[in-house]
Amino acid sequence: GENVEQHPSTLSVQEGDSAVIKCTYSDSASNYFPWYKQELGKGPQLIIDIRSNVGEKKDQRIAVTLNKTAKHFSLHITETQPEDSAVYFCAARGAGGSYIPTFGRGTSLIVHP
Amino acid sequence: KAGVTQTPRYLIKTRGQQVTLSCSPISGHRSVSWYQQTPGQGLQFLFEYFSETQRNKGNFPGRFSGRQFSNSRSEMNVSTLELGDSALYLCASSWTSGARDEQFFGPGTRLTVL
Repeated sequence: GENVEQHPSTLSVQEGDSAVIKCTYSDSASNYFPWYKQELGKGPQLIIDIRSNVGEKKDQRIAVTLNKTAKHFSLHITETQPEDSAVYFCAARGAGGSYIPTFGRGTSLIVHP
Repeated sequence: KAGVTQTPRYLIKTRGQQVTLSCSPISGHRSVSWYQQTPGQGLQFLFEYFSETQRNKGNFPGRFSGRQFSNSRSEMNVSTLELGDSALYLCASSWTSGARDEQFFGPGTRLTVL
């Protein structure tokens, strides 16, 4: 089955710095890669996603890049703010009727004011 | 538009008991997926229901089961509870089944097994 590795497990940055979280996946059939933000006491919230036919996607301060050849994708957050502090999860899903999603173990991002 | 709701939010049970968790998806959504989240194993997919039929199933024992009603509301049942079943159980809904739709997560039910 699919295996998703996520690094780092903890990331501490100063407000205004950039943060980068990286994930690798094993199944070349995976074609949908969402990123979720989970705040304390809440469920994960989709913040950005990318499909395998796209190399990069940007939404304001957040961007995701995908390298299908190397099977890795990354989340980039620029101009970090204290409210960006949360746990971030990457995931990989395949297409078709069987699309069991596999999640990374999560990255705890701490943004210091 | 109301989000995904899960009841109860917190639950304490003892080993050997059974438990039923409930999930109400966003209005109009027909797919409901369940996940287990633990510090040790992270987020793991349990199963997905679409139009009252189980479409996908993760690698969990048969003690974990679910169902979906005609109004798309879903329930998850865990029988013969074990200490290791203590976790946050998350429900997520989407318009349709498959890989193309964004999933919206509920706040979860925190289950503690003593």
